[in-house]
Amino acid sequence: AQSVTQPDIHITVSEGASLELRCNYSYGATPYLFWYVQSPGQGLQLLLKYFSGDTLVQGIKGFEAEFKRSQSSFNLRKPSVHWSDAAEYFCAVGTYNNNDMRFGAGTRLTVKP
Amino acid sequence: GAGVSQSPSNKVTEKGKDVELRCDPISGHTALYWYRQSLGQGLEFLIYFQGNSAPDKSGLPSDRFSAERTGGSVSTLTIQRTQQEDSAVYLCASSLEGSGAYEQYFGPGTRLTVT
Repeated sequence: AQSVTQPDIHITVSEGASLELRCNYSYGATPYLFWYVQSPGQGLQLLLKYFSGDTLVQGIKGFEAEFKRSQSSFNLRKPSVHWSDAAEYFCAVGTYNNNDMRFGAGTRLTVKP
Repeated sequence: GAGVSQSPSNKVTEKGKDVELRCDPISGHTALYWYRQSLGQGLEFLIYFQGNSAPDKSGLPSDRFSAERTGGSVSTLTIQRTQQEDSAVYLCASSLEGSGAYEQYFGPGTRLTVT
């Protein structure tokens, strides 16, 4: 079965600084990769997803992620963080013939003024 | 349109009691998932429904947990004889179809506290 690792439990960045959240997956074939955000008291919202094609995918709220097969990674990036980006971020991996999507443990982002 | 809704939003129960958590998926979505999110943990898959097929119960942690989905729509997750370790946020999600390729839309969750 597929699995996901998010190495950073908590990250703090200053507002306006760039951001990169790491995600590594384990799966033998091409995975479907997702990033979700969970704001305080809110449900999870999809930021972006990768299925195939261009390995750099753009999402909502100015986020992007790059699929690197050689590194089994799907890191999330944003060039300039806003205070409203403070939230929990989850990376997830799915497969076409598997029902359960596996989520990472999440990375909590704190944004300093 | 309406998203996934869950009720109640919060539930406090005494150890040993049974609880029922409800999920209303997005209309037209054939797949429905239940997850558990414990403090500081990722999302733990519990159970999955797809159309009229038998549910995938492989993630249920014990036989105290069960779920049903009536008429291919509303789902209820039941936890019998609750234990303190059951305290968590229970999330429901639905998707258009049931493979891992489709985006899941999540409800706000039910926070369960077992005292």
